[in-house]
Amino acid sequence: RKEVEQDPGPFNVPEGATVAFNCTYSNSASQSFFWYRQDCRKEPKLLMSVYSSGNEDGRFTAQLNRASQYISLLIRDSKLSDSATYLCVVKTDSNYQLIWGAGTKLIIKP
Amino acid sequence: DTEVTQTPKHLVMGMTNKKSLKCEQHMGHRAMYWYKQKAKKPPELMFVYSYEKLSINESVPSRFSPECPNSSLLNLHLHALQPEDSALYLCASSQVTGVGEKLFFGSGTQLSVL
Repeated sequence: RKEVEQDPGPFNVPEGATVAFNCTYSNSASQSFFWYRQDCRKEPKLLMSVYSSGNEDGRFTAQLNRASQYISLLIRDSKLSDSATYLCVVKTDSNYQLIWGAGTKLIIKP
Repeated sequence: DTEVTQTPKHLVMGMTNKKSLKCEQHMGHRAMYWYKQKAKKPPELMFVYSYEKLSINESVPSRFSPECPNSSLLNLHLHALQPEDSALYLCASSQVTGVGEKLFFGSGTQLSVL
């Protein structure tokens, strides 16, 4: 089993729709959780940190479920510019390693 | 715009060449990283520098040699690379190497080894 698993997609979604991604992680000692966004041939950019209480940033909502060991990302009112690969990232306690999911590709269609 | 600057953006080199990738940040971050990313794969950690000292080497072949001249600069020296080393090389930085630290990436160097 991979340490961090994501549905690779692609998710083909019409503009304006709501889309949700899930990500599961295997190490119960994981302490930090992030969503990164990566456009084709560009660098990953931090989208959101994910907190136990859940957090929202505009159209984006991230949730963490420690009991089930998954995190989610919800995008409301999707825009064409949201088309990208979304990478789930998990960090354990004391090492420097970010454990990356393989990413979910999102394509927003007009 | 990224605050981590990488040069060059593109590099083509032969297997006998020696080249260097450069990375610079002026955010006062004390941790800097080199990642390698192949197409449609997530980034793979290569090296971590913390306070200008090499903290992690993820069993990277010796043909890749990192250097951290000061807290703002990170280099990756390349020698006798193989075609399979062709990839996007990403530099990143964070304030320190703590659990909750967020990484900021440079735009990367797209490397092709012929």
